[in-house]
Amino acid sequence: GENVEQHPSTLSVQEGDSAVIKCTYSDSASNYFPWYKQELGKRPQLIIDIRSNVGEKKDQRIAVTLNKTAKHFSLHITETQPEDSAVYFCAFTGGGNKLTFGTGTQLKVEL
Amino acid sequence: DAGVIQSPRHEVTEMGQEVTLRCKPISGHDYLFWYRQTMMRGLELLIYFNNNVPIDDSGMPEDRFSAKMPNASFSTLKIQPSEPRDSAVYFCASSQGLAGGRGEQFFGPGTRLTVL
Repeated sequence: GENVEQHPSTLSVQEGDSAVIKCTYSDSASNYFPWYKQELGKRPQLIIDIRSNVGEKKDQRIAVTLNKTAKHFSLHITETQPEDSAVYFCAFTGGGNKLTFGTGTQLKVEL
Repeated sequence: DAGVIQSPRHEVTEMGQEVTLRCKPISGHDYLFWYRQTMMRGLELLIYFNNNVPIDDSGMPEDRFSAKMPNASFSTLKIQPSEPRDSAVYFCASSQGLAGGRGEQFFGPGTRLTVL
């Protein structure tokens, strides 16, 4: 079945530093790669996504890169702020166009 | 729009009892998804519907779980009988179109289920 590996599981950075989370997927037919942010006790919310015909996408301090050959995609957060602290999930479209989620990365931004 | 609505927000029940979780998707969305989230297994897709028809229920753990969508504005996830290992947060999500197309999935607030 579809599989995605997400690393690291926890990440602690100083405020203002950059954070990078990486996911590796198995299904070469995948064509959609969203990232969700989940704050404690809240629902997952989409923060950025990328489609397979694009290599990089940016939205202010957040960017996602995709390497289809290597089957991995990464989330980059620059100038991190305390409100960036949350769990981040990568996902991709597996069989049947349903989303398969990674195991999550707990990001902590320290003052 | 109020977003995806779920009820109840919290449910505490005893092993063996029937549990019914409810979801109202965003108006106009034609896909509805049920997810389960636990620390051990992460976010798992249980089942999804398109235009009220179940499309993929391969994630439903066992026969104790059932889901219905009688109309475009309402869906239920039922567990009968419930077991302690069913304790989790259950999310409902809806989208207009498939992932990769127009289909951003919007999640509801979740139902935190505790089975004693």
